[in-house]
Amino acid sequence: EAQVTQNPRYLITVTGKKLTVTCSQNMNHEYMSWYRQDPGLGLRQIYYSMNVEVTDKGDVPEGYKVSRKEKRNFPLILESPSPNQTSLYFCASSLLAGGWNNEQFFGPGTRLTVL
Amino acid sequence: KQEVTQIPAALSVPEGENLVLNCSFTDSAIYNLQWFRQDPGKGLTSLLLIQSSQREQTSGRLNASLDKSSGRSTLYIAASQPGDSATYLCAVSLDAGGTSYGKLTFGQGTILTVHP
Repeated sequence: EAQVTQNPRYLITVTGKKLTVTCSQNMNHEYMSWYRQDPGLGLRQIYYSMNVEVTDKGDVPEGYKVSRKEKRNFPLILESPSPNQTSLYFCASSLLAGGWNNEQFFGPGTRLTVL
Repeated sequence: KQEVTQIPAALSVPEGENLVLNCSFTDSAIYNLQWFRQDPGKGLTSLLLIQSSQREQTSGRLNASLDKSSGRSTLYIAASQPGDSATYLCAVSLDAGGTSYGKLTFGQGTILTVHP
């Protein structure tokens, strides 16, 4: 089944404790992206990756890191999480970033709470 | 900076009605526009994608139009059903050269309720 998977789905952690949220897609997509969704602020893009080893900042990259060492995986790293990073996180992928095959497929989301 | 606005924020209609959701964006230099639906507690599902050179796209009871020069898009839902109840989001990708078209900006969404 074609899908985007995220792990963990739920995470409660404490300030300053490094964490990684994994994202994997099995559709051989070149483009992957991370978003956070907050009440009243909507969905905002954190980072995106056009292909392996190519990453760019979205609108809210501060406090996050990403890497794209292989096509299928795009982990989101919080080196020193803070309470303002408590949010619902989504990973998404599409065949290409532009062009006619830009339909994005979203993962189920990761609900992160930083105490 | 691109800003995307969706009107109305919430809409409640009886089953069977035709309805229109609106999306406007401030920077007309877009690569494409997408409409998504999000069910409570779930991820997003892509509904329609319109390239900047297109005027509209249709899928079943859904029709999305794009007027790039005026910075507007509409999503038309025909013969609404209770199963259409969800939050509908529009998103635009930037066309500013390089890898900018990977950058997406979302609206805040319209919460649609279709009651029997």
